[in-house]
Amino acid sequence: SQQGEEDPQALSIQEGENATMNCSYKTSINNLQWYRQNSGRGLVHLILIRSNEREKHSGRLRVTLDTSKKSSSLLITASRAADTASYFCATDFYNAGNNRKLIWGLGTSLAVNP
Amino acid sequence: SQTIHQWPATLVQPVGSPLSLECTVEGTSNPNLYWYRQAAGRGLQLLFYSVGIGQISSEVPQNLSASRPQDRQFILSSKKLLLSDSGFYLCAWSVLGEWGYTFGSGTRLTVV
Repeated sequence: SQQGEEDPQALSIQEGENATMNCSYKTSINNLQWYRQNSGRGLVHLILIRSNEREKHSGRLRVTLDTSKKSSSLLITASRAADTASYFCATDFYNAGNNRKLIWGLGTSLAVNP
Repeated sequence: SQTIHQWPATLVQPVGSPLSLECTVEGTSNPNLYWYRQAAGRGLQLLFYSVGIGQISSEVPQNLSASRPQDRQFILSSKKLLLSDSGFYLCAWSVLGEWGYTFGSGTRLTVV
């Protein structure tokens, strides 16, 4: 079934380092979205990248999309302790019944150590 | 501005008791509304979505139901809770999914 799969499952880095998380998916998409979730909280939308886009930036975040490889990456530069959270990718696509769906990956748990 | 309210934040309910979780949206009209459940350390599972008043689509068979009595109100219910209904429930809204989803702060449900 269609699913975004993030890797790594967990990532631990030092403050100031860059963090890279990857997401792979299986079928054609309309867009791919990245979200952050702090422990026990709701998800916060970070970036949406459309299928015809290859790269987007938002502050210290950089998202790339390679539709030929069906993969995306989220780069957080100059990480801070406050970036500690789980990061999820979600793929927006039309299923076989032409219904629009959003499928979520299982997330990458990022720990940024002071 | 657009906001979403979800309550309560935590809930402990005995097995067999009823459930009602409410979600309301402000600052937008005719949003798509969603109920998700997240098991510990897992991704999100879509339970229900609604594209309009009274229109509910169920993604998975389960012990839960949803209703949308008003444009910006989405309710998740159960007549008799099961232990397996425990989890973190999230309400969200979007406009055609074009700009991403906005999530509520979630309800941690523990069925005992």
